[in-house]
Amino acid sequence: GENVEQHPSTLSVQEGDSAVIKCTYSDSASNYFPWYKQELGKGPQLIIDIRSNVGEKKDQRIAVTLNKTAKHFSLHITETQPEDSAVYFCAATPGAGKSTFGDGTTLTVKP
Amino acid sequence: GAVVSQHPSWVICKSGTSVKIECRSLDFQATTMFWYRQFPKQSLMLMATSNEGSKATYEQGVEKDKFLINHASLTLSTLTVTSAHPEDSSFYICSAPGGGSMGQPQHFGDGTRLSIL
Repeated sequence: GENVEQHPSTLSVQEGDSAVIKCTYSDSASNYFPWYKQELGKGPQLIIDIRSNVGEKKDQRIAVTLNKTAKHFSLHITETQPEDSAVYFCAATPGAGKSTFGDGTTLTVKP
Repeated sequence: GAVVSQHPSWVICKSGTSVKIECRSLDFQATTMFWYRQFPKQSLMLMATSNEGSKATYEQGVEKDKFLINHASLTLSTLTVTSAHPEDSSFYICSAPGGGSMGQPQHFGDGTRLSIL
């Protein structure tokens, strides 16, 4: 089955700085890679996703890159704000299969 | 956008009680829904896949008789924790793939915090 590793487990940045979270996956059949943000006491919410036919996708301050050859993908948040503080999960999904989640990254943005 | 509603958000009950958690897709049909368990500061652990009109598929190590899942309609799945004990205390979250299809973004409920005394 799929195995997803996510790093770092915790990340602390100063407001305005950039944050990068990286994930690797093992199953070459995975072709859909969403990123979720989970705030305390809430369910995860999709913030951006990318499919295997695309190398990069951007939505305002958030971007995701995918390297299919190396089987890794990354989340980039620029100009971080305190409200970006949350737990972020990456996931890898093979075709019509179930998503496998990374262990999460706790991002803290210091004002 | 797609919304998944989960109820209740918080339950406190005595040991031995059975607790039912509902997960509804509000503006789309979901033939498949997922149930997760999440421990503090940990990732989402998939418990089972709920299939409309058929039996749920449980992940290895999850007790079927303990965690009963019913998916009676295209918009509702329920998880019943039977004879709950303190070790069942956790955060339970449901989700449904967007458009009801696998391989799509998952829409999560806001979770149910279950505390068994």
